[in-house]
Formats: sequence, structure tokens, C-alpha cells
Amino acid sequence: GENVEQHPSTLSVQEGDSAVIKCTYSDSASNYFPWYKQELGKGPQLIIDIRSNVGEKKDQRIAVTLNKTAKHFSLHITETQPEDSAVYFCAASRGNYQLIWGAGTKLIIKP
Amino acid sequence: SQTIHQWPATLVQPVGSPLSLECTVEGTSNPNLYWYRQAAGRGLQLLFYSVGIGQISSEVPQNLSASRPQDRQFILSSKKLLLSDSGFYLCAWMRGSYNSPLHFGNGTRLTVT
Repeated sequence: GENVEQHPSTLSVQEGDSAVIKCTYSDSASNYFPWYKQELGKGPQLIIDIRSNVGEKKDQRIAVTLNKTAKHFSLHITETQPEDSAVYFCAASRGNYQLIWGAGTKLIIKP
Repeated sequence: SQTIHQWPATLVQPVGSPLSLECTVEGTSNPNLYWYRQAAGRGLQLLFYSVGIGQISSEVPQNLSASRPQDRQFILSSKKLLLSDSGFYLCAWMRGSYNSPLHFGNGTRLTVT
């Protein structure tokens, strides 16, 4: 069935460095790829999304890249700050109102 | 603007007791509604989704059920809770249009004792 693999499961980076989280999807019909940030005890919040007609999208320190040929997409966070510490989830959708989720990445920002 | 309300925030229930979690969305009409469960330190498991009043799709067989009595109200229920029902329950909504973002509530932490 449809599957999204997310790596790494835990990522520890020094404050100020960049962080990259990668996801691979199996369904070639997927055309929408959101990223969510979940802080402890809260619901996930959408931080950025990309559609299949775009290769890259940026929003300040956050960017997402999509490689449709290889069926993978990545979240890039530059100049990491303590408040970036959270669990990040990727997802993929083929437009049928359902998202297929990655397993999540715990991002730890070391001071 | 749209908001989603989910309550209660925390709940401790004994095994065998009933459950009712409620979720409402404001500021939009005919949203798609979702219930997810998240075990501690784990990913998001879709339990139910609804594309309209009275239309419920179940993703995982279990002793939980969902109902949508009104356009912007989604209820998760159980007649008899099991220990394995403990977890973080999240309600979410999405516009009924192509590739719209999913918006989550702040969740209910359920502990079954």
C-alpha cells in the first residue's frame, strides 16, 4: 500500500546549524506534500507545504524541496534556534482528502 | 478565521467506562473532519474521517466509533474503554477542496486506568 518513510527518527544539531529531514513516498500519484511541527502536548501545526508542480518552496528559515522522479522530499531548517526543537512529520496526499504520514523526526537543538 | 475546539484537554477514565470526546470547527462550512490517535512518542494513526453529516469512514477496527451529528461537530465514542485506548486523541479538519491543508486541534490526553 501507500507508504511514506521518514529519516532520521532523531536529529540533534547545534544551535545555528542547519537541519535536514528527508521523506520518501511510494505512490507516484501523490501531488501534495505538507510538513508539520508538533510541540510537546500540542497538536501538529502546518509549517510549510509543496505541490507537485513546484520543485522548491521557502518561507524564511524553512524550505522544502521535492524530487518527483526519485519520489522524495526534504525539509530544510537553517540557522536553527531552540524553539525549533519539536517533532516534525511529513505527509503525502494524492488529493483524495487523506494524508499518508511519515513516522516523525524528533529534532533536538543543542545550545 | 477558522478555529477548531477539542475537549476535554485531559481525561482519566477507568477500564470499562464509556467515552465521549467532542470536536467543533468554527468559521467554515462542510469541512472534512478527522480523528487521529497518537501513542506516546509515536506517529499519527487515522481512526475515522467524515466528508459530510452522517458519513463516517473507519480506518482501524477497534471498540471506538465516531459520529457527525452536525456539519461542524465530530464526536468520538466508546461504550467500554480498554487499557489500550490510552493515548493522545487529535481532531482535525480540512476544507473540502483539492489538496487543502489539515488543521489540528490541541488534542485530548486520555489515560485509561
